[in-house]
Order: sequence, then structure tokens, then C-alpha cells
Amino acid sequence: DAGVIQSPRHEVTEMGQEVTLRCKPISGHDYLFWYRQTMMRGLELLIYFNNNVPIDDSGMPEDRFSAKMPNASFSTLKIQPSEPRDSAVYFCASSLGGQGPIQYFGAGTRLSVL
Amino acid sequence: DAKTTQPPSMDCAEGRAANLPCNHSTISGNEYVYWYRQIHSQGPQYIIHGLKNNETNEMASLIITEDRKSSTLILPHATLRDTAVYYCIVRGVTGTASKLTFGTGTRLQVTL
Repeated sequence: DAGVIQSPRHEVTEMGQEVTLRCKPISGHDYLFWYRQTMMRGLELLIYFNNNVPIDDSGMPEDRFSAKMPNASFSTLKIQPSEPRDSAVYFCASSLGGQGPIQYFGAGTRLSVL
Repeated sequence: DAKTTQPPSMDCAEGRAANLPCNHSTISGNEYVYWYRQIHSQGPQYIIHGLKNNETNEMASLIITEDRKSSTLILPHATLRDTAVYYCIVRGVTGTASKLTFGTGTRLQVTL
């Protein structure tokens, strides 16, 4: 398996623009997580899904952020409109329910909002 | 979840054993100790986990004290590629996946 695949790897955009980050989890995994990492706040969970259903979105910073999982092999994290403080590395991770808290992370998307 | 305490940084000479400590004095009976690491510019990577017995896999060994209030991750022969931030996380295993809370971890620098 190729692991968790995220795209794009790097995104540079201007304030106010819409940004969409994409994630393909490991085939067969039934949990998907979105994290954000910054120097100030470290690695923080934004939202996670189980069987394509959002379970906990308490980490989503505000209404400008939204996440979807239309099927078991694809998820998106959208920021609209983007702001400079959204600049961070965004990670997607997936896991198999029976394995407990063992998660497999993608390489991340580095977002810069100018 | 139990709180964990790790030193902010450590150094280790290449080829030597790296011993990374973690304190988790409030751990409860059904909580496991998990270790992840994050190499620069990569996503976190699962290393190992344990409940109360010592564990070993191809990456590392995990030693948990008898009272379970602390543990040590051991990289037996550290290489430059082991330079990373190491996170100790305490979490229960309920049979389903659950969210992870990453602290600040220990930044391990392996040097020649």
C-alpha cells in the first residue's frame, strides 16, 4: 500500500482565497483524522471521521473550516476564506478501528497564506 | 487521558543507545503508553506501545516501570536518521480508534 496520500504537498495562496486540501487514506482503514501543526500550537486534531461520518469536529477553529468525506477513499479539508493565520502544515492520518490509537500519517500539506 | 512529561531535548552519539524517558504518574489501569516520532518535514510515525510488560519491535524497545508511572523508549543503536521529535502519549484502548493528543515531545539529536 502507498500509505496515506495528501495533495498538494505545498500550497501558496493569497488571503481571502479558497483552499482545498485532499487526502486518500490507506485502503481498508475506517478512521480518518485531520491535524494541523504550527510552531506556536504544535500538532492539534481538527476533526475525525469514522466510516465517512464526522465524529468529533471540536478542533475545527471556526466556520471558515470545513471537512468532508464523500467516500471511504477520499477526504477534503476546505478553508474559505483563507487568512494568514491559517498558515501551517496540515496532516491527514488514517487508522483501522480495531488497532486502537495507531494512526498512519501522510506527508502533510504545507499551506502558506499571504 | 493521563498527562505526560518529557525532557524537551536530548543528544545521543551515533551507534549508542538512545534512552528517552517519559513520566505519566496519573496513568490509569487500562491506559497504554504509545510512542510516535516525527522526523523533520514528515508526518508522525508510530513506533511502539505497551501496557505493563516490556515490548520490543524492529524499531525500538519500551520499558515500563512496575508502578507504570514512567517509561523509557530505547533506540538500541541510534543513527543520524533517528534524529526526530519523539512523543509519548498515554491513551486507553477501547477496541476502536481514538484521537491522539500530542504534547511537545523530546527533540532527539543524534550526532557523529
